[in-house]
Amino acid sequence: GAVVSQHPSWVICKSGTSVKIECRSLDFQATTMFWYRQFPKQSLMLMATSNEGSKATYEQGVEKDKFLINHASLTLSTLTVTSAHPEDSSFYICSVPWAGAGNTIYFGEGSWLTVV
Amino acid sequence: QKEVEQNSGPLSVPEGAIASLNCTYSDRVSQSFFWYRQYSGKSPELIMSIYSNGDKEDGRFTAQLNKASQYVSLLIRDSQPSDSATYLCAGRGLAGNTPLVFGKGTRLSVIA
Repeated sequence: GAVVSQHPSWVICKSGTSVKIECRSLDFQATTMFWYRQFPKQSLMLMATSNEGSKATYEQGVEKDKFLINHASLTLSTLTVTSAHPEDSSFYICSVPWAGAGNTIYFGEGSWLTVV
Repeated sequence: QKEVEQNSGPLSVPEGAIASLNCTYSDRVSQSFFWYRQYSGKSPELIMSIYSNGDKEDGRFTAQLNKASQYVSLLIRDSQPSDSATYLCAGRGLAGNTPLVFGKGTRLSVIA
């Protein structure tokens, strides 16, 4: 079964509105989660690292005031796209490192955002 | 050099053939390597991970790592049409909880 749950799977919103995407680790705690964005026919680009109890770390070129990340608990990180515009339409995916033995990173199912 | 580089393809092979996918990487992501398969519109699925020099086999898949050449590859034997997808190579650094860094992906088409 899934170990990382992402919600919603898809969302359509109007320009100027905000959209929240949730990423949950199931049955394990995660102090760190990663948010990626993928445009059609392109690879996954890391947007930010979500850190439980502290500020997220953003990659160069990613606007922290536009993409708000909150990691308020050890099993939940949220990404809020504020004042969304059509160019924000993309596939957003979270990934969560497994805290146990090994080097596994699990991915959420992804969230398709369409801004109209 | 980009951190993880892949030939974006597309790569077409006939059903039953061996598909060979290649990837090079930089020092920053040189600790562990992953191959993911991604179907259109879906999240990536992990195929294999490899950390040590040499080959690692899992069913029809073999990952090869050559740290001296900073090269990692994935071979798919007896390719099936269902293997048609984009294959993403990813590397990860050593320090703490570091993220995966992905290559651009190689689009594979297996022709029946």
